[in-house]
Amino acid sequence: GIQVEQSPPDLILQEGANSTLRCNFSDSVNNLQWFHQNPWGQLINLFYIPSGTKQNGRLSATTVATERYSLLYISSSQTTDSGVYFCAVVSTGANSKLTFGKGITLSVRP
Amino acid sequence: GAVVSQHPSRVICKSGTSVKIECRSLDFQATTMFWYRQFPKQSLMLMATSNEGSKATYEQGVEKDKFLINHASLTLSTLTVTSAHPEDSSFYICSAPTLNTEAFFGQGTRLTVV
Repeated sequence: GIQVEQSPPDLILQEGANSTLRCNFSDSVNNLQWFHQNPWGQLINLFYIPSGTKQNGRLSATTVATERYSLLYISSSQTTDSGVYFCAVVSTGANSKLTFGKGITLSVRP
Repeated sequence: GAVVSQHPSRVICKSGTSVKIECRSLDFQATTMFWYRQFPKQSLMLMATSNEGSKATYEQGVEKDKFLINHASLTLSTLTVTSAHPEDSSFYICSAPTLNTEAFFGQGTRLTVV
C-alpha cells in the first residue's frame, strides 16, 4: 500500500516563529488532507489539498502531486497551535480510504 | 464543512461486556464510513470500511466477530466491541467522506475496559 512519511517527527517553536511541516507519499493520490488533532483527540480539518496551494489565515499548504509531497506552513505560531499534525492521503483507486502518516508533534512555547 | 457526530465520547465498561459506538453524518449522506483505532502517541489505523446496505470490509488482522459494524442507513454507522477486554481499550474514531472524497471525523470515543 501507499506509504506516508511526515517530518520532522517533533518540533519545538518559540511563539511567533514560523515552521514548515512536510509530508511525502509513495504513490499517486487523488486526495490529500492535513489535520490538527486537539488535546481531546478530535481531528480538525485544516486543508483538503490534492494539488496546488491554499491559505487560511496563518496557515497555508502546498501539494506538488507530481513530486509526491505536501508542505504545511504555520506562520507567527501561537501556543494554541500545539498538538499533532497529520497528513493523510487517498491513493488513486483506494475508494476514499485514507492512509495516515505518523504525525508531527508541535509544541509552541510562550 | 460537513459534520460527523460520534457518541459516546468516553465509556468505561467491565471486561466481558459489549459496547456500541454510534457515528452519524448530520448534514450529508454517507454510503461509506470508516472506523479507525488510535493508541496513545500513535497514528490512526484503519480498522474497517462500513458500507450502507452491505457487509463491512475489515483490514487485515482485525477480528470481524469482535468488532461488529452495522451501517443501517445513509447517515448512521455503528461499531460494537463485543466481549471487551482490557487490550481493547483505545481511542476509536469514525469518518465519512463527502462527494469530493474530503473526509470529516467524529469526535472520537475513548474506551476503557476494566
